[in-house]
Amino acid sequence: GEDVEQSLFLSVREGDSSVINCTYTDSSSTYLYWYKQEPGAGLQLLTYIFSNMDMKQDQRLTVLLNKKDKHLSLRIADTQTGDSAIYFCAERPPRNDYKLSFGAGTTVTVRA
Amino acid sequence: DTEVTQTPKHLVMGMTNKKSLKCEQHMGHRAMYWYKQKAKKPPELMFVYSYEKLSINESVPSRFSPECPNSSLLNLHLHALQPEDSALYLCASSQDTGTGAYEQYFGPGTRLTVT
Repeated sequence: GEDVEQSLFLSVREGDSSVINCTYTDSSSTYLYWYKQEPGAGLQLLTYIFSNMDMKQDQRLTVLLNKKDKHLSLRIADTQTGDSAIYFCAERPPRNDYKLSFGAGTTVTVRA
Repeated sequence: DTEVTQTPKHLVMGMTNKKSLKCEQHMGHRAMYWYKQKAKKPPELMFVYSYEKLSINESVPSRFSPECPNSSLLNLHLHALQPEDSALYLCASSQDTGTGAYEQYFGPGTRLTVT
């Protein structure tokens, strides 16, 4: 199957770190992506990771990939109010390489 | 520049109307996509164009008709829609399809309401 699972909600205090988790089912997926969607807006590509990598860091964002457990996480350091949004993880299985399989999205709320 | 633009931003149409959504990118991408997104749900793929040819139709009803006039433009023609077609319609583009990262960049979407 191509089910990508995410927890639906995360509440975090401003200045703390946020960790958003995702599990995917297709072990042959080569690329995994994180997108951010603010209210009323389109999807913004935040970062992606190739499946032969364990970690990727880009400024406040850190992506960790555990390929054995098919677990992906996105850590946002020093979370700000502008980070409040829905975060989607997505995998791109090689047999349907045009198609992204999205998780349901995690709604992150940053409280003061 | 990773910008994909979409017009209009909002559209209200009756069930007997004909309207079109437009999408444009100037990144030289050769793959373009239409997605439909309902509130609080992930996007669902509708169509994929590769090198200006329709390569994927995800069993979309014929009341939605895509068109790719050139490599930078993608249209979605709408006719005889139903109220359940109300959604956010997202356009995306990528450098290509196939092996490789080919990350998809999304436009801001058109919020469609069918009355």
